[in-house]
Amino acid sequence: DTGVSQNPRHKITKRGQNVTFRCDPISEHNRLYWYRQTLGQGPEFLTYFQNEAQLEKSRLLSDRFSAERPKGSFSTLEIQRTEQGDSAMYLCASSLEQTRSPLHFGNGTRLTVT
Amino acid sequence: AQSVTQLGSHVSVSEGALVLLRCNYSSSVPPYLFWYVQYPNQGLQLLLKYTTGATLVKGINGFEAEFKKSETSFHLTKPSAHMSDAAEYFCAVSEMNTGFQKLVFGTGTRLLVSP
Repeated sequence: DTGVSQNPRHKITKRGQNVTFRCDPISEHNRLYWYRQTLGQGPEFLTYFQNEAQLEKSRLLSDRFSAERPKGSFSTLEIQRTEQGDSAMYLCASSLEQTRSPLHFGNGTRLTVT
Repeated sequence: AQSVTQLGSHVSVSEGALVLLRCNYSSSVPPYLFWYVQYPNQGLQLLLKYTTGATLVKGINGFEAEFKKSETSFHLTKPSAHMSDAAEYFCAVSEMNTGFQKLVFGTGTRLLVSP
C-alpha cells in the first residue's frame, strides 16, 4: 500500500491560465474522490468516480472544472481560466467500492492563483 | 441537508492535560460520523468512526469519541495530550445511504499543545 499520490504538491499560476492536477489512487481502490479545501475551512466534496465512470458532481464544480479517470486508474482534475477564488488545496482520496470502505486521502495539491 | 459544527477554531492545552474537541451534527437520517486529523501540508488521516452499535468508539493515538443522539454530538477526547497531537482536527458526517464516502466536514479545530 503506497498510499494516494498527488502531483504536483504546489502549483502557482496566473489568473486565466489552465492547470491540471494528477491523482494516483491506491491500486486496488476502484473509487476515487476529489475534494477542495480553502483556507480555514474543511474539505468540500467535488466529484467522485467508480472505475472510469464519473458518478456524481457537486454544484461547486463549475463548467471551468473537468475531471477524468480514463482507464479507471489515475485521475486528472483540470481547471480552465483560473480565478483567484480557485486558490485552495485540492485533495484526492480513494476507497474500495463497498459503501463502508473508508477514504484514504493524498497529501493534496496546493493551488495559488495570482 | 447534513451539516457539522465544530465549536472553537482553536483549542490550547498543556501536555498531559485532557483534550476535548467538540462536534455537533445535523442529519435527517441516521448518520455515520468521523474524526480526521490533518498535519501541516498533509492530507487527512482517519482517527475514528461511528457507524452503528457501541456509542463509544476508540481510535488511533489514544483518541475516543462518544455518539450522543439526544445531543446530536460526537465530541473527541484524549485523556492526556502529547506534543505530537498538535494538528487540525475535522469532524465529518455522511448518510448511511451514501456510506463512508461523501463526507460533509466541519471547519476544523486546531489543537495547540504547550509543554
